Amino acid sequence: DVVMTQSPLSLPVTLGQPASISCRSSQSLVYSDGNTYLNWFQQRPGQSPRRLIYKVSNRDSGVPDRFSGSGSGTDFTLKISRVEAEDVGFYYCMQATHWPQTFGQGTKVEIK
Amino acid sequence: EVQLVESGGGLVKPGGSLRLSCAASGFTFSNTWMNWVRQASGKGLEWVGRIKRKIDGGTIDYAAPVKGRFTISRDDSKNTLYLQMNSLKTEDTAVYYCTTENWGSVSWGRGTLVTVSS
Repeated sequence: DVVMTQSPLSLPVTLGQPASISCRSSQSLVYSDGNTYLNWFQQRPGQSPRRLIYKVSNRDSGVPDRFSGSGSGTDFTLKISRVEAEDVGFYYCMQATHWPQTFGQGTKVEIK
Repeated sequence: EVQLVESGGGLVKPGGSLRLSCAASGFTFSNTWMNWVRQASGKGLEWVGRIKRKIDGGTIDYAAPVKGRFTISRDDSKNTLYLQMNSLKTEDTAVYYCTTENWGSVSWGRGTLVTVSS
C-alpha cells in the first residue's frame, strides 16, 4: 500500500498567520491518465471530514480561497494563507491513484 | 444537496455481527460509486471498502483488515448502501462513515459508532 506521511503532526499557529502542511507519498501519485489524485480533507472538532482540495490544487465548492494545494509526484503541500479560528481541527491528505486509497496520519492545527 | 445518513451502529460483543445502513439523497445514487471509511476514537481515517455502480460491474473491493469478514452491498431501488460486519473484533471499534466515491471520498455522512467490547 502507498504510505502517506504528513508533517508536522501538530501545528500551533497564530490567528492571521500562514500555515503549511506537508504530505509525502511512498510512490509517485501520477496516474496513467496524467492526473494526480491527491486530496486534502479538513475535520473540525466533532464533525465529519470535508474535502477541501482534489487533484492536488482544485478547491471544492465553498472552500475559502485562503486554502491552496500544490505539489507533484510524491511531495504535496496544503497552505492556509491566513489562519482563522474556524480552521482549527485535523487535516488529512489522501491518495486515490493507487489501490487501496490511503490517508496520511493527520495534522492537528490549533491556535497558539 | 447530497445527504448521507448512516445508522445501525451500537455495542456488540467480539465475534458478533452488525449491519450498517446508509440512506442517500440529493444525487443519483445508482450512478455513484460508494465507500465505507472508518475512524477509531482519536485516530486517523481508514478506508474500509468500495462498491462500484452496476453499469461498471458493481465490483466490490475491501481493505485487507476486513476482507472475508465484512460485506458491502447496495440497493439502488432504496438509495441505500449497506455494510454487513461479521466476526467483529475489538479493533473494529470506530465511527463508520459512508462516502461518495470519485477518485477519493467526496461527500461524507455524519457516521455511526460501532463499539466491539465484551
